[in-house]
Amino acid sequence: KNEVEQSPQNLTAQEGEFITINCSYSVGISALHWLQQHPGGGIVSLFMLSSGKKKHGRLIATINIQEKHSSLHITASHPRDSAVYICAVSRNTDKLIFGTGTRLQVFP
Amino acid sequence: EAGVTQFPSHSVIEKGQTVTLRCDPISGHDNLYWYRRVMGKEIKFLLHFVKESKQDESGMPNNRFLAERTGGTYSTLKVQPAELEDSGVYFCASSQDRTGVQFFGPGTRLTVL
Repeated sequence: KNEVEQSPQNLTAQEGEFITINCSYSVGISALHWLQQHPGGGIVSLFMLSSGKKKHGRLIATINIQEKHSSLHITASHPRDSAVYICAVSRNTDKLIFGTGTRLQVFP
Repeated sequence: EAGVTQFPSHSVIEKGQTVTLRCDPISGHDNLYWYRRVMGKEIKFLLHFVKESKQDESGMPNNRFLAERTGGTYSTLKVQPAELEDSGVYFCASSQDRTGVQFFGPGTRLTVL
């Protein structure tokens, strides 16, 4: 069993829909990261958080340390949001432990 | 400011050959990480440099993999001899602080035939 689990693995949505991607982890962490990879593109860091909530534009990331769970929300989704979203955690060391990713497709 | 760059973007080699991947981190970033994603699996850590020193190489699969970071600038990852299971995408990332955001390169797709 992976230390970081994401759900769903694949997600399709219509433009404008509210999207939630979930991440659960089984180890103690110092921070949780949400990353994005567009088709054929590189990996971009969206958020790094250790508590509470962060917002950037239409993206919101939340974390519940007690429940070892994080969510990434996308409001008013757009086709350009189509990408693979990856959850990763860092522990006392700084290397990242990754989930398998969620492939999101947003259709017009 | 230039981001993390990796070379080559793609490499196709035969089993038993040698391949060297290169990563140029963001200027001034002391921390450099190598990660790998094999088909259908999650990205996994290979090793971490702080300047020219190997801080953590616990993810290196075996002694066919050799990483160097001479002078604390760019890094190379050599696979010798390559095996079929080495195929995958190799990512490099760098960060200014050990606990800070990591900036990723575009990856090198390695195919071993």
